[in-house]
Amino acid sequence: GAGVSQTPSNKVTEKGKYVELRCDPISGHTALYWYRQSLGQGPEFLIYFQGTGAADDSGLPNDRFFAVRPEGSVSTLKIQRTERGDSAVYLCASSLKGDQSSYNEQFFGPGTRLTVL
Amino acid sequence: GQSLEQPSEVTAVEGAIVQINCTYQTSGFYGLSWYQQHDGGAPTFLSYNALDGLEETGRFSSFLSRSDSYGYLLLQELQMKDSASYFCAVRDIPITGTASKLTFGTGTRLQVTL
Repeated sequence: GAGVSQTPSNKVTEKGKYVELRCDPISGHTALYWYRQSLGQGPEFLIYFQGTGAADDSGLPNDRFFAVRPEGSVSTLKIQRTERGDSAVYLCASSLKGDQSSYNEQFFGPGTRLTVL
Repeated sequence: GQSLEQPSEVTAVEGAIVQINCTYQTSGFYGLSWYQQHDGGAPTFLSYNALDGLEETGRFSSFLSRSDSYGYLLLQELQMKDSASYFCAVRDIPITGTASKLTFGTGTRLQVTL
């Protein structure tokens, strides 16, 4: 089956503009995560959803960042009033929800490279 | 909070064995994962340790010592295609079910040479 897909693969925008990044998880995966990766760094957690609700949004850097997952499948990360410091690769991952005794690995998408000029 | 330390770079020759260490300081710990990432690619899962000891998967093995807050990834019979960045990641205690966020280290860039 298909893996995690993200669109667009690249996005160039101007400072102050609004952007939306889309993630399509693996079918049947109820958990969805957003991470941000800067050059030479590891992925940094932003938010994760269990179904439609945000179970943990502690990684969102400020109120310019918002994410939704209205039907429990596709998710959109929204960034308002973009700043040059927002430039990074935005990664999405998904995993199954299982019982407490199992570990469900996270499958990552290829990412969206966001460049804010 | 969480912090993880890994060496920034490692170089090894094809066919050799290399060990990438990871030490962590965490406020909550459920397990240690390892991911591989080629330049421009997505991180891909390699292994996961929740309990002390060694987990072996083909040429790759991963070890965890919870008492020492330490783990390592062991790559055997190195191949050129193993040249990539390797990240250790701490898995937080789940809030619901088994889904929980990962906190990644800064990564170790492995260069395999002839």
